[in-house]
Amino acid sequence: QVQLVESGGGVVQPGRSLRLSCAASGFSFSAYGMHWVRQAPGKGLEWVAVIWYDGSNQNYADAVKGRFTISRDNSKNTLYLQMNSLRVDDTAVYFCARSPSVVLLGLSDFWGQGTLVTVSS
Amino acid sequence: EVVMTQSPATLSVSPGERATLSCRASQSVSSKIGWYQQKPGQAPRLLIYDASTRATGIPARFSGSGSGTEFTLTISSVQSEDFAVYYCQQYNKWPPWTFGQGTKVEIK
Repeated sequence: QVQLVESGGGVVQPGRSLRLSCAASGFSFSAYGMHWVRQAPGKGLEWVAVIWYDGSNQNYADAVKGRFTISRDNSKNTLYLQMNSLRVDDTAVYFCARSPSVVLLGLSDFWGQGTLVTVSS
Repeated sequence: EVVMTQSPATLSVSPGERATLSCRASQSVSSKIGWYQQKPGQAPRLLIYDASTRATGIPARFSGSGSGTEFTLTISSVQSEDFAVYYCQQYNKWPPWTFGQGTKVEIK
């Protein structure tokens, strides 16, 4: 069955960096686009970034553009989110999610359980 | 950016009753909308895509309708396991893909 397991979250000071990972299993990882979506405590869902199945293209929300980088290693079935210059308002649970197809690129049909990132001094 | 607005914020229903959740887009998104269910401490689960197609394994009591800017998620007979927060999401115009703020379905 499809499994997505995030790791790398934690407490970090404003201005510092953190890298999140998402280990995928149970499907052909290299055939699917992948997203990062975040959820601030007690708030709704916010799309963060997407990467094409082959890593050839990426897109970002304005709130993270220039600070976050999404990447993937298809040989390791792993998705990454490099987060630099972190701000207090980046505090959230970060979910990785699979996009079901090119036609439904913006949709997410399977989600990991999330990893909490807390930005605080 | 397409703004998605959900109503009501909270819906109180008794088990067995019908629940109707609404989602409005600030501009037409065709039928490119999905609905997700999220329970406390859990990841979202995809229920509906393309406005009205149930995702794999989703019970028939969940149905979606609408196109353009007005969409509805209906739970025909709410079960105990359906009490959760529901989000709509448009995936027609991007970036960014955008979510509504959520509707909490609670026990009356």
